[in-house]
Amino acid sequence: EPEVTQTPSHQVTQMGQEVILRCVPISNHLYFYWYRQILGQKVEFLVSFYNNEISEKSEIFDDQFSVERPDGSNFTLKIRSTKLEDSAMYFCASSAGGAFNTEAFFGQGTRLTVV
Amino acid sequence: GENVEQHPSTLSVQEGDSAVIKCTYSDSASNYFPWYKQELGKGPQLIIDIRSNVGEKKDQRIAVTLNKTAKHFSLHITETQPEDSAVYFCAGRISGNTPLVFGKGTRLSVIA
Repeated sequence: EPEVTQTPSHQVTQMGQEVILRCVPISNHLYFYWYRQILGQKVEFLVSFYNNEISEKSEIFDDQFSVERPDGSNFTLKIRSTKLEDSAMYFCASSAGGAFNTEAFFGQGTRLTVV
Repeated sequence: GENVEQHPSTLSVQEGDSAVIKCTYSDSASNYFPWYKQELGKGPQLIIDIRSNVGEKKDQRIAVTLNKTAKHFSLHITETQPEDSAVYFCAGRISGNTPLVFGKGTRLSVIA
């Protein structure tokens, strides 16, 4: 069964460093998302991406964040200068698109720890 | 924007009993309501969803009901098993492929 894959599973970084979280969405999907989940809290939307551009972003997704689809398969989230409060699980998701294919499938997540 | 509230935050049931988790949403334009199961250390897994043109959907031991007038929807798990223990999230979205808005989650424990 097709699935969304994320790497790495766990990333530890020094405060102020840049990190790149990687995702491979399901191959025929057109919409890509990043969500985050701070420990014990709900899943929060960060950004959605369609047709090689950001379609929506939340207030969490400030200038320190960026997304990119560098090739036909990868979808990345970059945090330029990490802060302690960026520590969370980051989930990538994708959906096929269209009015009746809106199910979003999530990856296993990357646990980011900023120290 | 949309706001989704979920209750209870924790739920313990005996194996074989039923479990019900309830969610309310604020935006009457929302038309798609999925439920996700999250096991420890894993990503949310879609288990069932419902669209606003139906009132109930069932898949084996899992069912979801939707009351558009009251703007609430519920997850029903019958004949619970220990492997049903997880955190369950409800979510809503307004249209198409807009972002999902999640509830805070319910930690379900099924006691053998």
